[in-house]
Amino acid sequence: QKEVEQDPGPLSVPEGAIVSLNCTYSNSAFQYFMWYRQYSRKGPELLMYTYSSGNKEDGRFTAQVDKSSKYISLFIRDSQPSDSATYLCAMSGAGGYNKLIFGAGTRLAVHP
Amino acid sequence: DAGITQSPRHKVTETGTPVTLRCHQTENHRYMYWYRQDPGHGLRLIHYSYGVKDTDKGEVSDGYSVSRSKTEDFLLTLESATSSQTSVYFCATAPRADYEQYFGPGTRLTVT
Repeated sequence: QKEVEQDPGPLSVPEGAIVSLNCTYSNSAFQYFMWYRQYSRKGPELLMYTYSSGNKEDGRFTAQVDKSSKYISLFIRDSQPSDSATYLCAMSGAGGYNKLIFGAGTRLAVHP
Repeated sequence: DAGITQSPRHKVTETGTPVTLRCHQTENHRYMYWYRQDPGHGLRLIHYSYGVKDTDKGEVSDGYSVSRSKTEDFLLTLESATSSQTSVYFCATAPRADYEQYFGPGTRLTVT
């Protein structure tokens, strides 16, 4: 069983839809939770960074962490075709050298 | 863009040949990481460095070695390439252990 599970999709939605992306994890030591966006043939870029439990909002993006359920989510409001990409969740434990454990990534397509 | 370049960007090589991939950064970040990305696996850590000449193994280090003789350069070597090492390789950097990682553009390696 992988430490971090993420549905690979693909997920196809119409423009303007609300998108929900999720990851589950098994290691209760994880403290830092991230969402990266990766366009085709590009390197990942950080979207959201959350420490411990709670919500964080940045424009159309909201990240939620529920440590009791070992479940994290990324919501995208008013999705745009430019949001079409692969979304990777990542997490790491407190201290150490920030060795990230990634989910497999969810491919999202937003069609006009 | 965190000033990370990777070279070469594409390489095709034969089984059994040595291969070295280079990551160069201009941000003076202390931490550097090498990942490989394969379908269904997301990104997996190969090796990382927490300072000049300070390196350690990641999740999938077998068959790989690294060196870091200068802050700005982190080299990944496949001593004797195998077909299972066909992948996309990403370098990442971070200024400190609890900070986000910035990714390079990737190197697409094919071992025939």
